Amino acid sequence: QKEVEQNSGPLSVPEGAIASLNCTYSDRVSQSFFWYRQYSGKSPELIMSIYSNGDKEDGRFTAQLNKASQYVSLLIRDSQPSDSATYLCAVDTGRRALTFGSGTRLQVQP
Amino acid sequence: DARVTQTPRHKVTEMGQEVTMRCQPILGHNTVFWYRQTMMQGLELLAYFRNRAPLDDSGMPKDRFSAEMPDATLATLKIQPSEPRDSAVYFCASGSNRDIMNTEAFFGQGTRLTVV
Repeated sequence: QKEVEQNSGPLSVPEGAIASLNCTYSDRVSQSFFWYRQYSGKSPELIMSIYSNGDKEDGRFTAQLNKASQYVSLLIRDSQPSDSATYLCAVDTGRRALTFGSGTRLQVQP
Repeated sequence: DARVTQTPRHKVTEMGQEVTMRCQPILGHNTVFWYRQTMMQGLELLAYFRNRAPLDDSGMPKDRFSAEMPDATLATLKIQPSEPRDSAVYFCASGSNRDIMNTEAFFGQGTRLTVV
């Protein structure tokens, strides 16, 4: 079992819709969770961090964490074509090094 | 300008040659990560330093790879000898930690390595 799992996609949503990206992790002691966005040919860019159960909102982005279910998600409201990218989930597994999922490719259709 | 700086941005080398990649972390950050990204494997952790001390290099092939932090402003990743399977994008990231949790890590622009 991979430490951090994501559906590779592509996830295709129409412009203006809500995109929902999901991530599960295997290590129960994980404490820090991050979402990165990576455009093709570019480096990962941090967009959200979450440390406590519940929701955290930042503009059009909402991160949701459920430690009991070992599940973290990212919602993107009012999706724009510029949101088309690969979204990487990263988890602090307790070794205090970030482990990344393989990423979900999001396509927002104009 | 707070960003992680990596050099070189691109490197093409012949199999068997030594390759050295450099990273300047964001000033004040005490944690440095080296990752390798390929289409097949995604982002793999190679090495991880805190306060210049190596904490985890279990993801790194020890026979040919080495990572060091000569000082707080410089991290290096060296491959000797290089092989075609080392072709990938190598990212350095830096961050800091508070108490028991890591805070956010910020990535450099990467070094695209091609070994022919």
